[in-house]
Amino acid sequence: DGGITQSPKYLFRKEGQNVTLSCEQNLNHDAMYWYRQDPGQGLRLIYYSQIVNDFQKGDIAEGYSVSREKKESFPLTVTSAQKNPTAFYLCASSMTGGWQETQYFGPGTRLLVL
Amino acid sequence: AQSVTQLDSQVPVFEEAPVELRCNYSSSVSVYLFWYVQYPNQGLQLLLKYLSGSTLVKGINGFEAEFNKSQTSFHLRKPSVHISDTAEYFCAVIPNTGFQKLVFGTGTRLLVSP
Repeated sequence: DGGITQSPKYLFRKEGQNVTLSCEQNLNHDAMYWYRQDPGQGLRLIYYSQIVNDFQKGDIAEGYSVSREKKESFPLTVTSAQKNPTAFYLCASSMTGGWQETQYFGPGTRLLVL
Repeated sequence: AQSVTQLDSQVPVFEEAPVELRCNYSSSVSVYLFWYVQYPNQGLQLLLKYLSGSTLVKGINGFEAEFNKSQTSFHLRKPSVHISDTAEYFCAVIPNTGFQKLVFGTGTRLLVSP
């Protein structure tokens, strides 16, 4: 089955620690996205990538970093500079990155701070 | 800039009753409109989208939405809900000119009880 996988489902971060969230897709999509979801708020875009080896900042990129070395993979690192990282993180992909396209979402990773 | 307003944070209904989830948007240019559904602890799934053409759009699971340009609205409706429709519903917009980002509303939680 084609789809998007995110791991782990739950992730715990200690103070001062960097953690990396995995996102893999086998849909052969060019574009991938990372969103952050907080209770009572909509989704906010962290980073997006329309092609391998290229990515752009979204609305709330501070404290986060990404890489896009392979078409299938778009890992997100939450750095120690992100002071309020507790949230639900969603990865998505679309065929070419055209904004009229449907974005397909993974099941999400919930990040909690110890 | 675009914005999306979902005035109802929560909508309780009884099974088999009709429901309408409201979405209003603000934009100085024409937009594409989307409704996504999120079941508990899962990613988002597209219900339907309006790109152009008929203003009444039919989606999955018996949902439909009507685009009203004069009222800048895109309300979601279902004539008879099921318990399984209990979820959070997000309206989203994006301008259909240039290269822009998807903007999500804050979501409406639909609670269906027997």
